[in-house]
Amino acid sequence: DQQVKQNSPSLSVQEGRISILNCDYTNSMFDYFLWYKKYPAEGPTFLISISSIKDKNEDGRFTVFLNKSAKHLSLHIVPSQPGDSAVYFCAASFNDYKLSFGAGTTVTVRA
Amino acid sequence: EAGVTQFPSHSVIEKGQTVTLRCDPISGHDNLYWYRRVMGKEIKFLLHFVKESKQDESGMPNNRFLAERTGGTYSTLKVQPAELEDSGVYFCASSQARHTDTQYFGPGTRLTVL
Repeated sequence: DQQVKQNSPSLSVQEGRISILNCDYTNSMFDYFLWYKKYPAEGPTFLISISSIKDKNEDGRFTVFLNKSAKHLSLHIVPSQPGDSAVYFCAASFNDYKLSFGAGTTVTVRA
Repeated sequence: EAGVTQFPSHSVIEKGQTVTLRCDPISGHDNLYWYRRVMGKEIKFLLHFVKESKQDESGMPNNRFLAERTGGTYSTLKVQPAELEDSGVYFCASSQARHTDTQYFGPGTRLTVL
């Protein structure tokens, strides 16, 4: 039973524009949410996280928004750069260490 | 500081054979995890060690999979006998003490069972 879903398998965006990645979850017990970025032949790399007590967290060009009532979170990348081309995974956990991941969204930033 | 390392990077075996994957976590990280990604789908949790003890092995598919962490340092994941559906990328991750501490992932081992 997949509890974290990324319904868009791919996203193409022009360099300098905003990338918006979406993630939905079904388990209301999740209290910690993360985004990981993955390049080919590498492991996922932590990008940004948010606790369920917040609705927004920013780190440079990356902002994560959490809407608990909708069980939805999103990642905004502004401005998008060619090095942002990668697979982005949404993940969640609840008071433990096990991460539940989505299937990933492949982002391609066009010059 | 060295990151999480995994060996081998690729393994191709025939159905029925045995394969052992190795993970060396970041030094000082008590928590070690194994995850698997099959056919471009989601990354799925397999199990979690705290030092040498298995804290959670709820994601292990069946008893053909055996994980160990000797002395609380490196870990091995053995698949015996391997089946076709075991093909995928096996990731190891490690973290410090709290559940919100970042999990750092290794590059993964790509396992192909023919």
